[in-house]
Amino acid sequence: DVKVTQSSRYLVKRTGEKVFLECVQDMDHENMFWYRQDPGLGLRLIYFSYDVKMKEKGDIPEGYSVSREKKERFSLILESASTNQTSMYLCASSLPTGHYGYTFGSGTRLTVV
Amino acid sequence: GQQLNQSPQSMFIQEGEDVSMNCTSSSIFNTWLWYKQDPGEGPVLLIALYKAGELTSNGRLTAQFGITRKDSFLNISASIPSDVGIYFCAGISSGSARQLTFGSGTQLTVLP
Repeated sequence: DVKVTQSSRYLVKRTGEKVFLECVQDMDHENMFWYRQDPGLGLRLIYFSYDVKMKEKGDIPEGYSVSREKKERFSLILESASTNQTSMYLCASSLPTGHYGYTFGSGTRLTVV
Repeated sequence: GQQLNQSPQSMFIQEGEDVSMNCTSSSIFNTWLWYKQDPGEGPVLLIALYKAGELTSNGRLTAQFGITRKDSFLNISASIPSDVGIYFCAGISSGSARQLTFGSGTQLTVLP
């Protein structure tokens, strides 16, 4: 069963901590994406990558960075976590075109206290 | 960026009722997709549409690719409690074949 795996379902971190959210896909997909989801705001794109070592800013990149050292792994980094980054984070992957849709992970619910 | 207008934002229905939701855009889309997100999970693809006018079913779900290429509809017949969740539309425009544009979601609650 093909899948996108996010390393943690729930995380609680303190303000100012550096936080790593890991995502691994086993479908050999070229494209990978990080979204955050907040009530009433839908899915907002943080960063995406179309290839290894490549990254592009999405709509809300401030306060985040990413790393893609291997094709199957895309990490989201919160350099200094803040309470307004409390959210549900979703990782997704896809083939080079999005026509067949994205496969999403189960999400990581991050709480920053 | 581009926007997809999805409505309604939320729905409360009785078990057994039919449900309709839709997505509209000001620009033309080449692909329409519908996702469902169960509580606490990631979205899962339900239906994909690739041609204007296309009507596709998946069990009790039916989706249509609008003739104008600027809208899509999802219908759920005879709703059951496990239909609860958030339904998202998504599309691929001619300007960006790599990325999906998502609607804001429809929160569906099914009352027993």
